[in-house]
Amino acid sequence: RKEVEQDPGPFNVPEGATVAFNCTYSNSASQSFFWYRQDCRKEPKLLMSVYSSGNEDGRFTAQLNRASQYISLLIRDSKLSDSATYLCVAVTTSGTYKYIFGTGTRLKVLA
Amino acid sequence: NAGVTQTPKFRVLKTGQSMTLLCAQDMNHEYMYWYRQDPGMGLRLIHYSVGEGTTAKGEVPDGYNVSRLKKQNFLLGLESAAPSQTSVYFCASSYSMADTQYFGPGTRLTVL
Repeated sequence: RKEVEQDPGPFNVPEGATVAFNCTYSNSASQSFFWYRQDCRKEPKLLMSVYSSGNEDGRFTAQLNRASQYISLLIRDSKLSDSATYLCVAVTTSGTYKYIFGTGTRLKVLA
Repeated sequence: NAGVTQTPKFRVLKTGQSMTLLCAQDMNHEYMYWYRQDPGMGLRLIHYSVGEGTTAKGEVPDGYNVSRLKKQNFLLGLESAAPSQTSVYFCASSYSMADTQYFGPGTRLTVL
């Protein structure tokens, strides 16, 4: 079982739709979580950190559920420019250092 | 600021050849990382460094060596390239180990 798992998609949604991705992690010692965005043939870039109480950045909302060991990303009012692959990350620094990326969820926003 | 830069951007090697990938960052970050990204496998950590003169193995270190002689540079070496090392290689740096990582544009390596 992978330490961080994501549905690869693709999620095809119309412009203006709301879409949500989940990401599960297996290491209960994971302390920090992030969502990165990666455009085709480009490097990953931080989208947002994920805080325990949940956090919002414009149209994007991230949530953490430690009991069920998953994080989520909600995108409201999808734009064509949101089309990309979204990578979740779980970080463990106690014991063996691990900064584990999921394989990504591909989103296509359709006109 | 250039952020994180990588050279070269593309390279084709024959099996058994050697090469060095260079990563440079101008953000004064202590931590630097080398990843490879393959379809269906996601990003996998090859080696990382917690400061000048230090290196540590990541998830997939075999076949690679690294050096961090200067704080701003992190070199990844392939001593004897194999077709299994065909991949996209990303370098990244961060302020701390649990912090945001900033990635370079990547190097696309093909080993024939």
